[in-house]
Amino acid sequence: NAGVMQNPRHLVRRRGQEARLRCSPMKGHSHVYWYRQLPEEGLKFMVYLQKENIIDESGMPKERFSAEFPKEGPSILRIQQVVRGDSAAYFCASSPRGQSYEQYFGPGTRLTVT
Amino acid sequence: RKEVEQDPGPFNVPEGATVAFNCTYSNSASQSFFWYRQDCRKEPKLLMSVYSSGNEDGRFTAQLNRASQYISLLIRDSKLSDSATYLCVVNQDINDMRFGAGTRLTVKP
Repeated sequence: NAGVMQNPRHLVRRRGQEARLRCSPMKGHSHVYWYRQLPEEGLKFMVYLQKENIIDESGMPKERFSAEFPKEGPSILRIQQVVRGDSAAYFCASSPRGQSYEQYFGPGTRLTVT
Repeated sequence: RKEVEQDPGPFNVPEGATVAFNCTYSNSASQSFFWYRQDCRKEPKLLMSVYSSGNEDGRFTAQLNRASQYISLLIRDSKLSDSATYLCVVNQDINDMRFGAGTRLTVKP
């Protein structure tokens, strides 16, 4: 049973470019969460999605960041016009029934903005 | 007060020692509690859920104290491989899970 998959594992972008991070949840899981972790800091919640719906985006920056979880395919976290401060590890997690239940994390995408 | 608060450590203990971490939470209505471990530059991995009656998994014991609003994790007979950052997770609301900043543990030979 494959776990949560994320790709790419490492992504390098120049300032002003777009970054697209992908997450495929565990089989049977329809709830997806995105977190950001800055170096030497804790996890910060960004967004919670179910298929075709954003449930909670209270942790998303107001500009440049968006997320989707289409009916088919992986969840996508998109960062437009990246800046150096966006450099971080972005983790995706999934759960079978909602946010009150345990979440399983993917290996993360390490974004470096040069 | 932070919603979920942990002592950042670091805790440096010798092999074989017993070590305990606490995690306090602010929302008295919180219902779900978990401990995760995160190794350096890796993803968090679920260690154990925390049940009202307390639960044990091998060398690890988790407890919940609702009156004082904290959860604890006890590790007995520490191994070198236990070195990691331990994250507590508390649900604030049905759609709102909060992670603590983590407690760093180093077990030394």
